[in-house]
Amino acid sequence: EAGVTQFPSHSVIEKGQTVTLRCDPISGHDNLYWYRRVMGKEIKFLLHFVKESKQDESGMPNNRFLAERTGGTYSTLKVQPAELEDSGVYFCASSPVKWTPGEAFFGQGTRLTVV
Amino acid sequence: RKEVEQDPGPFNVPEGATVAFNCTYSNSASQSFFWYRQDCRKEPKLLMSVYSSGNEDGRFTAQLNRASQYISLLIRDSKLSDSATYLCVVNMGGTSYGKLTFGQGTILTVHP
Repeated sequence: EAGVTQFPSHSVIEKGQTVTLRCDPISGHDNLYWYRRVMGKEIKFLLHFVKESKQDESGMPNNRFLAERTGGTYSTLKVQPAELEDSGVYFCASSPVKWTPGEAFFGQGTRLTVV
Repeated sequence: RKEVEQDPGPFNVPEGATVAFNCTYSNSASQSFFWYRQDCRKEPKLLMSVYSSGNEDGRFTAQLNRASQYISLLIRDSKLSDSATYLCVVNMGGTSYGKLTFGQGTILTVHP
C-alpha cells in the first residue's frame, strides 16, 4: 500500500514568488494534516482537514498560506507570496476516520527554500 | 515557555547501553502522549503511545507522570539502528483532537 506522498521533494524559489505543495494521503484516510519544521525549531501543526472540510486551521501562520482539499482526496498548500522565513520542511500526514489518536502517517516532506 | 520541552542532546552511547530521554509538557489538560522517531531527513514515525500505567514494547519502555507533567522513554540494550531523533508528542484532544504538539527532539547516536 502506498504511503503519504508529497510533491515536490525540494523547491527553491525567490522571495515574492508563489509555490504550491501537494500531498496525496493514504487511500481512504479522511484526516489530512499539514505540519512545518523551520530550521532549529520543532515541528509545528498548520491545519487539519476532515475530508474536504477544515477541522482546525489554528496553526496557519498568516493569510499568505492557503490550503485546499477539493473532493476530499489530495491537498495543496500554496504560499503566496513566499517570504524568507517560510523556508523549512513541510510535512503532510494522514490518518483514517477510526484511528488511534496520535497515530498519524507522515509523508517524507517538501523541503522549501526561499532565497 | 515551550509547550513540549526535551533535552536536545545529543546523546552518544555505545551499543548495549541503556539510555533515557525526558520530556515535560506545559498544558495540564493534555490528553494523549506519544514518542515518535525520526531518522535523518526522513519523516517522523510513531514509536509508541505513552500511558499512565507505563508501557513496554521490547527494549522500549515509556512512562507518563500526569502530576509532574513528565514523560520518559527508556531504551535498553541500544542498537546501532536506534540512532535517530526521538520526538516527544502531545495531543490535547477535544476539538483539537487532530493536532499533535511536538518537542524539538532528542538526538541519539549509538556507536560500536
